[in-house]
Amino acid sequence: GNSVTQMEGPVTLSEEAFLTINCTYTATGYPSLFWYVQYPGEGLQLLLKATKADDKGSNKGFEATYRKETTSFHLEKGSVQVSDSAVYFCALSGEGGSEKLVFGKGTKLTVNP
Amino acid sequence: DVKVTQSSRYLVKRTGEKVFLECVQDMDHENMFWYRQDPGLGLRLIYFSYDVKMKEKGDIPEGYSVSREKKERFSLILESASTNQTSMYLCASSLNRGRGYTFGSGTRLTVV
Repeated sequence: GNSVTQMEGPVTLSEEAFLTINCTYTATGYPSLFWYVQYPGEGLQLLLKATKADDKGSNKGFEATYRKETTSFHLEKGSVQVSDSAVYFCALSGEGGSEKLVFGKGTKLTVNP
Repeated sequence: DVKVTQSSRYLVKRTGEKVFLECVQDMDHENMFWYRQDPGLGLRLIYFSYDVKMKEKGDIPEGYSVSREKKERFSLILESASTNQTSMYLCASSLNRGRGYTFGSGTRLTVV
């Protein structure tokens, strides 16, 4: 079945550093891909998404490109802020067009001033 | 914006109690989901529903049941709460493929 592998954390960066969180997937067909963010004590929020190969999702300075050839959807941000400290989850849609999402285990990011 | 509202942010219950976690969405979404989130285990799907009165088991349904009598409401029921059900419970809804989920703020349940 569809699955997603996300780099393990935690990740600790200084403010204004470059961020990459790796995400690779295994899937049949053409899944949609998502990044979610969870701030402390909150539920998950959709950060960005891409629905087909070569699509780039972007939001709040974060970007990720749907790379079918490498089955990847890495999250990047050029200059992180303290307020970006959160847990980030990569996800993809299920097999056969299922609406059920498959989530990675999450990567905790801490940004220090 | 779609809102998914979970009735309680924090809940403390005793072992053996019957517990109801309520989730309501306001945007006519067909699909609704219940997850639990535990450190080191990520999100695990308990139950989901694609339509009123319809339910399907997720990955960890044991000890739980659900009810969906109206489209906007999806309830998670712990028939007899146990300490290993202490967790963060997240409800989500979605419209159709490619849109992703909208999550509620979560209910942190402690069973003592």
